Amino acid sequence: GAGVSQSPSNKVTEKGKDVELRCDPISGHTALYWYRQRLGQGLEFLIYFQGNSAPDKSGLPSDRFSAERTGESVSTLTIQRTQQEDSAVYLCASSPYRQSQETQYFGPGTRLLVL
Amino acid sequence: SQQGEEDPQALSIQEGENATMNCSYKTSINNLQWYRQNSGRGLVHLILIRSNEREKHSGRLRVTLDTSKKSSSLLITASRAADTASYFCATGSGAGSYQLTFGKGTKLSVIP
Repeated sequence: GAGVSQSPSNKVTEKGKDVELRCDPISGHTALYWYRQRLGQGLEFLIYFQGNSAPDKSGLPSDRFSAERTGESVSTLTIQRTQQEDSAVYLCASSPYRQSQETQYFGPGTRLLVL
Repeated sequence: SQQGEEDPQALSIQEGENATMNCSYKTSINNLQWYRQNSGRGLVHLILIRSNEREKHSGRLRVTLDTSKKSSSLLITASRAADTASYFCATGSGAGSYQLTFGKGTKLSVIP
């Protein structure tokens, strides 16, 4: 079946502009995660959605970052007033598991470059 | 904070050789997973080992877990050029928690 998809694949923007990144999880997956990966680094947790529960936003680095998810479907990550330090690959993952830290299924990521 | 730390940071081997990567972590875990990432894109899940397991196999992959040393190793046997990628360990810990904590990865290069 279809995997996790993300759009756009690449995004180049100017400092100060807003960007919106999209994630389509695997159908039926209740859990959805956003991560940031800077060049040569590991994954940095940003936000977690589980069904209709309140999201865990504890990883968002500043109030310029926000994310939404409609039910158990599409999620968007918005970065306002982008800075050069926001340049990174933004990865989305989904999982069918509720209770434990089981396998996550990743999308191909969006590579963001802020000039 | 970083939970898993992979070692080495980079590894270069000839095709056909075995590759071993290590992961150390700091707190008690529920499970430990290994993921592969090609060219800085999405991660692919390779294998999951639970805290009560010591060894697990999947094809050419062998994972060991030593909870007393808080470490794990990933062995890829008979490596191929297509195995060239970055490999990350991720740990799940805490009751009722849903987060995985990823290390910085080992960059493996397999030379044909």
